[in-house]
Amino acid sequence: AQSVTQLDSQVPVFEEAPVELRCNYSSSVSVYLFWYVQYPNQGLQLLLKYLSGSTLVKGINGFEAEFNKSQTSFHLRKPSVHISDTAEYFCAVSRTGGGNKLTFGTGTQLKVEL
Amino acid sequence: DTAVSQTPKYLVTQMGNDKSIKCEQNLGHDTMYWYKQDSKKFLKIMFSYNNKELIINETVPNRFSPKSPDKAHLNLHINSLELGDSAVYFCASSQRLAGEGDTQYFGPGTRLTVL
Repeated sequence: AQSVTQLDSQVPVFEEAPVELRCNYSSSVSVYLFWYVQYPNQGLQLLLKYLSGSTLVKGINGFEAEFNKSQTSFHLRKPSVHISDTAEYFCAVSRTGGGNKLTFGTGTQLKVEL
Repeated sequence: DTAVSQTPKYLVTQMGNDKSIKCEQNLGHDTMYWYKQDSKKFLKIMFSYNNKELIINETVPNRFSPKSPDKAHLNLHINSLELGDSAVYFCASSQRLAGEGDTQYFGPGTRLTVL
């Protein structure tokens, strides 16, 4: 079985500062990796995903993530955050042969302050 | 146009009642899912349906039953509601049959409160 660890439950950051949200995964087989964002009282929206190929993945809203197989990590970064980025961010994995079942991390609350 | 819609948005009911949540997607996707998000915001898959066939059935009490009349709809029926069923339930869909790595598109959620 696969699992996802998001070590930071909350990340406060000032507007225009860079941010990194950490995600580590565990799996005995190959995985696909995802970052979803959940704005208050809304559903989840895909930010980006890694399936194969280049380990640096660019997503919407200026976010990017890097897949590091040796460290089993998929950290999310943004060079300059905006107030509107305040939201809950979820890292998720699905394994090959798993029927596209997503296993989520516990989420990281990003709070952008002025 | 809303891609994945759920009704109702809020549902407040008494313990022991039976309720349903409806989900519809207009994306032409072949696979639909139900997720439960608890009060700590932890998300866990409950079911997935693929062209009206149950594909994933996680360890969920059998009081929960998915019903798919066609591939655009996946409803969730809950019998004998318990306090612990209080949560936000999300419906999602993805494009292909067993499309590994396919993006899942989520609905806005249904907040269920059991009193």
